[in-house]
Amino acid sequence: KAGVTQTPRYLIKTRGQQVTLSCSPISGHRSVSWYQQTPGQGLQFLFEYFSETQRNKGNFPGRFSGRQFSNSRSEMNVSTLELGDSALYLCASSSPTGLAETQYFGPGTRLLVL
Amino acid sequence: GENVEQHPSTLSVQEGDSAVIKCTYSDSASNYFPWYKQELGKRPQLIIDIRSNVGEKKDQRIAVTLNKTAKHFSLHITETQPEDSAVYFCAASLTNAGGTSYGKLTFGQGTILTVHP
Repeated sequence: KAGVTQTPRYLIKTRGQQVTLSCSPISGHRSVSWYQQTPGQGLQFLFEYFSETQRNKGNFPGRFSGRQFSNSRSEMNVSTLELGDSALYLCASSSPTGLAETQYFGPGTRLLVL
Repeated sequence: GENVEQHPSTLSVQEGDSAVIKCTYSDSASNYFPWYKQELGKRPQLIIDIRSNVGEKKDQRIAVTLNKTAKHFSLHITETQPEDSAVYFCAASLTNAGGTSYGKLTFGQGTILTVHP
């Protein structure tokens, strides 16, 4: 099976702009989680989508939003970008079957806000 | 919410030695504990995981132990090799009674492991 893919891989934006990142899960996986990775804060959970519904949400401001499509692909959007939003954004997909859902990560999108 | 503490933040060992990384979690309801390895510039990759109904799990040179009473779990790597050098993250998650995860992993801060040849 093809792994989790994310586009774009790199992105440079300026403060105040908005950005949309895309994540394609492993075929058959219905859950997509998003994480922000920074040197200072580590890996932090943003939100999780399952069957087009946001099922869980982390402690990020409302500028961070997401959605999931019927094919399980997911997008996240960050509006009014701030310098502190510079980070590696990772998505992970998992299957809803089984006792716990093992999450498989994509390569990430590295966002630089100038 | 859940909080995961990971120690040490850096670990340097000689090739062939063992390495141990420890994590503690705060939410006694957490019941799934994966470990990820992240090499420089690459995605985190699952190396081993353990569920709360098991005390220990081993996969070749890697093992994980879980102490539910003390709320801590540890990663053990034996016979370390230079290619084991990476950042290792522990995480904790909650699955509901139906066995379906809420899709949220709470991560520790990571351990930079360096294995010297």
